[in-house]
Amino acid sequence: QSVLTQPPSASGTPGQRVTISCSGSRSNIGINSVNWYQQLPGTAPKLFIYHNNQRPSGVPDRFSGSKSGTSASLAISGLQSEDEADYHCLTWDDSLHGYVFGTGTRVTVL
Amino acid sequence: EVKLVESGGGLVKPGGSLRLSCAASGFTFNTAWMSWVRQAPGKGLEWVGRIKGKIDGGTADYPAPVRGRFTISRDDSKNTLYLQMNSLKTEDTAVYYCVRESDLIDSWGQGTLVTVSS
Repeated sequence: QSVLTQPPSASGTPGQRVTISCSGSRSNIGINSVNWYQQLPGTAPKLFIYHNNQRPSGVPDRFSGSKSGTSASLAISGLQSEDEADYHCLTWDDSLHGYVFGTGTRVTVL
Repeated sequence: EVKLVESGGGLVKPGGSLRLSCAASGFTFNTAWMSWVRQAPGKGLEWVGRIKGKIDGGTADYPAPVRGRFTISRDDSKNTLYLQMNSLKTEDTAVYYCVRESDLIDSWGQGTLVTVSS
């Protein structure tokens, strides 16, 4: 049902770099900016990246976002145990006239 | 500080109705665009609709899965957002979040659980 595709899981050891992809189409990521949300277990999502690559205050600078064509990515460098969470991408879809979320990616710190 | 507090969730039978509320504070509610987002157990997030501020027309938009069954409304005098859900199906079982749009979806409530089961 989700319009945006993410890998179901990603993992790394402490200190490693992990990258999560979000694949869409011309009607969504191709023409609109992407936001990323972190969701810790049992809690509501929290805005982590907005407008493709901007970090809200309080989000560590080891989190970065990028967009190219119809795909976007979230990178976590220097992975830490507290980064274990689900990450969701979000953008607007001009064809559907609505918001579309990614399928979500669970990040595990080994 | 933006605060969004949902209420009204619970157990309802298939075909039944339920109304969720979201009490907002910490920002100018009457001009804010507000949305509802849901998350089925163990699943991803799904947008279920939004309502614009009155100054922008106050109209609502819905995705296909809920269009015609769900209605979003607002009472700006009470800083409260509502989600009226009719003809509920088992697949509507989810945690429902109230969210604020300030150019983008930036603030979330804690969510309220709706369970549709016989």
